[in-house]
Amino acid sequence: EADIYQTPRYLVIGTGKKITLECSQTMGHDKMYWYQQDPGMELHLIHYSYGVNSTEKGDLSSESTVSRIRTEHFPLTLESARPSHTSQYLCASSHNNEQFFGPGTRLTVL
Amino acid sequence: SQKIEQNSEALNIQEGKTATLTCNYTNYSPAYLQWYRQDPGRGPVFLLLIRENEKEKRKERLKVTFDTTLKQSLFHITASQPADSATYLCALTVNFNKFYFGSGTKLNVKP
Repeated sequence: EADIYQTPRYLVIGTGKKITLECSQTMGHDKMYWYQQDPGMELHLIHYSYGVNSTEKGDLSSESTVSRIRTEHFPLTLESARPSHTSQYLCASSHNNEQFFGPGTRLTVL
Repeated sequence: SQKIEQNSEALNIQEGKTATLTCNYTNYSPAYLQWYRQDPGRGPVFLLLIRENEKEKRKERLKVTFDTTLKQSLFHITASQPADSATYLCALTVNFNKFYFGSGTKLNVKP
C-alpha cells in the first residue's frame, strides 16, 4: 500500500463553493500529479509538480489551481465549484517512472 | 493526435486460463511503458514497467511485452484467478515527468 493520502474521500457540495482537495505523501517524492477521471474513462493530467515551488498545468484544461509549498503536500483548489467539476480526482507521486496513487476524492457538485 | 488504445470491451475468461490484454499507441515514442491495476472507486496500483529497449518483462504470474515497431504492448496474466478481476491500465512515459494513460480494459475471471 502506497503512503499517499487524499481527503476527503467523498465530497458533495453546492455550486459556487470554494473547495480544497488535500493530498499528502510520506515517501519524499519530488514529483506529484493530479488527475481527473470519469467512470470508464482514462486519467487526464490536470496539474503536476517537479518539486517545491514548481507547478505546471497538465494537458486537460482545468479551472483548479495547485500549490507546492512542502514536498509532502500538494493541495488542489477550486475557487467556485460547478456541476461540470463533478468527477473523481486522483493524486499521485512518482519515483523511478513508477506512479503511486492515492485513493481518490469523488467530488459531486450540485 | 496522440492516442493510447485499450480494448474497451470487457475480457471474460475462465479461472486458470491466461488473460492477454493489449495496449496500442500512436504518435508517441515512449521511453517507458507501465501497467497498472485499478479496482472500482480506488486509485491505480503499479504492476510492471518495461523500458523501450526491453522486449519482455516478467513478475510472478505477470508478463509484459513491448514492441516499439508495432507500437504495442501485451500484458499476460497466467493461471488467472477471480481475484485478478479488475480494470488494467497501460501508461506511457514520454519524458521523465509526464504519464499518459489508456482508458483500461476490464478483466472478469470467472470461477
